Amino acid sequence: EAQVTQNPRYLITVTGKKLTVTCSQNMNHEYMSWYRQDPGLGLRQIYYSMNVEVTDKGDVPEGYKVSRKEKRNFPLILESPSPNQTSLYFCASGDRGLARTEAFFGQGTRLTVV
Amino acid sequence: DQQVKQNSPSLSVQEGRISILNCDYTNSMFDYFLWYKKYPAEGPTFLISISSIKDKNEDGRFTVFLNKSAKHLSLHIVPSQPGDSAVYFCAASENAGNMLTFGGGTRLMVKP
Repeated sequence: EAQVTQNPRYLITVTGKKLTVTCSQNMNHEYMSWYRQDPGLGLRQIYYSMNVEVTDKGDVPEGYKVSRKEKRNFPLILESPSPNQTSLYFCASGDRGLARTEAFFGQGTRLTVV
Repeated sequence: DQQVKQNSPSLSVQEGRISILNCDYTNSMFDYFLWYKKYPAEGPTFLISISSIKDKNEDGRFTVFLNKSAKHLSLHIVPSQPGDSAVYFCAASENAGNMLTFGGGTRLMVKP
């Protein structure tokens, strides 16, 4: 089954404790991206990747890091999480770009930073 | 400042009637628009898209209309079904890029 898998689904952590949210896709897509969803603001793009070792900033990259060492994986790293990073996070992938065709989204990771 | 806005946070419609969801944008460089649907506890799923060279695109019960001069697009669902109850996001991109700008979403409730 074609899917984008995020882990964990739920995470509560404390300010400053480094964490990683994993994202994996089994569709051999070149493009992957991370979004955060906040009430009234919709989804905002954090980082995206066009292929292995190729990443770029989205609209809200501050406080986040990503890496793309393998085509299927695109982890999101919060080196020093803060309460304003409490949000619902989505990973997405696509085979012909992320903004011109259908993107496939994971089920989301709800992160709470206390 | 939000470049893509969905001014109605929620919409309630009777089953069988038409649902019209609206979206406004400010960036005149946007040339491709998409609608995504999201159920609770799930990720968004692609619904329909439209290029700026068109003013209408249809897929079954779903039709998207684009008015470039007004910088406005709308999604029509006819007839509406209870299973259409979800949050709908419009999104826009410019010039074959990889950045998508989303609106804040509209929660549609279709009553049986």
